[in-house]
Amino acid sequence: AQSVTQPDIHITVSEGASLELRCNYSYGATPYLFWYVQSPGQGLQLLLKYFSGDTLVQGIKGFEAEFKRSQSSFNLRKPSVHWSDAAEYFCAVGTAGSNYKLTFGKGTLLTVNP
Amino acid sequence: SQTIHQWPATLVQPVGSPLSLECTVEGTSNPNLYWYRQAAGRGLQLLFYSVGIGQISSEVPQNLSASRPQDRQFILSSKKLLLSDSGFYLCAWSLTTRGHNEKLFFGSGTQLSVL
Repeated sequence: AQSVTQPDIHITVSEGASLELRCNYSYGATPYLFWYVQSPGQGLQLLLKYFSGDTLVQGIKGFEAEFKRSQSSFNLRKPSVHWSDAAEYFCAVGTAGSNYKLTFGKGTLLTVNP
Repeated sequence: SQTIHQWPATLVQPVGSPLSLECTVEGTSNPNLYWYRQAAGRGLQLLFYSVGIGQISSEVPQNLSASRPQDRQFILSSKKLLLSDSGFYLCAWSLTTRGHNEKLFFGSGTQLSVL
């Protein structure tokens, strides 16, 4: 079965600083990878996804992520963080063998200092 | 455009009481439907998913159940709530295209507190 690890439970950055959120997955074949963001008390919104092709994926709100098969990673990055980016971020993996469900990591809470 | 409605937004229920959370999707047909629970510090856990009317798959044994009486309606229920049922419940939908789910669209969630 697939699994997802987000090693950082909580990250604090200053506004304007760069950001990288880590995500490692476990799956025997090529995974489908997703990053979602959740603002307090809200549902989840998809930031970006990777299915195949270019390993550098551009998403909404200035986020990007890079799929590295050799490292089983799909880290999320943003060059300059805005205060409105403060939220919880979830990495998820889906597989061709389990079309109907995604497995989520436990999330990384991002705090942005002014 | 597609929308997903989930209600209520918050709910406080005593232990042993019943539960019914409802989710409806508009603007699409034959979606895959999901119930996730997000407990504090534990991330998102898939509870149920459904690929069609009356078709429910359970991922985690528990005292919760789900039903899909109509194509775009998904209901989460319990006959007797436990304290451990407290959490943030999220409904979601997706479409299967080209053999895989493109992405999940989430509702705004229900914060359930069992006291």
